[in-house]
Amino acid sequence: EPEVTQTPSHQVTQMGQEVILRCVPISNHLYFYWYRQILGQKVEFLVSFYNNEISEKSEIFDDQFSVERPDGSNFTLKIRSTKLEDSAMYFCASKAATDTQYFGPGTRLTVL
Amino acid sequence: GENVEQHPSTLSVQEGDSAVIKCTYSDSASNYFPWYKQELGKGPQLIIDIRSNVGEKKDQRIAVTLNKTAKHFSLHITETQPEDSAVYFCAASASNTGFQKLVFGTGTRLLVSP
Repeated sequence: EPEVTQTPSHQVTQMGQEVILRCVPISNHLYFYWYRQILGQKVEFLVSFYNNEISEKSEIFDDQFSVERPDGSNFTLKIRSTKLEDSAMYFCASKAATDTQYFGPGTRLTVL
Repeated sequence: GENVEQHPSTLSVQEGDSAVIKCTYSDSASNYFPWYKQELGKGPQLIIDIRSNVGEKKDQRIAVTLNKTAKHFSLHITETQPEDSAVYFCAASASNTGFQKLVFGTGTRLLVSP
């Protein structure tokens, strides 16, 4: 069964450093998302991406964040200058034309 | 914007009992309501979903009910098993545009004791 994959599974970085989180969505999907989950809290929407552009973003998704689909398979989230409060699980999700979003296993980001 | 409330935050049941988790939403434009199960260290996995044109949906031991008038929906798990232990999240979205973001509830930690 096709699934969303994410790398790395765990990323540790120093405050102020740039990080890139990578996702490979399910191959025939058209809509792509990033969500984050701070430890013990609910999953929060960050950004949606369709047709090579951002379709919606949340207040969390400020100028420090960017997304890109550099080729036909990868979907990346970049945080330019990480802060302590960026520490969280980051989930990539994708969907086809139907409603169902499929989530990847997540990347745990730890900012020291 | 949409706000989703979920109760209870924790639920402990004996194996074989039923479990019910309830959610309310605020935006009457929401028309798609999925439920996700999240096991420790893993991403959310869809277990069942319902659209606003349907009042109830069943899949083996799992069922979801939706009351559009009251803006609430519930997850029912019958004959619970220890492997049902996990955190369950409800979510809501308005899917008319196709892009739709999911707004999640705060989660329910279900513990099924043998």
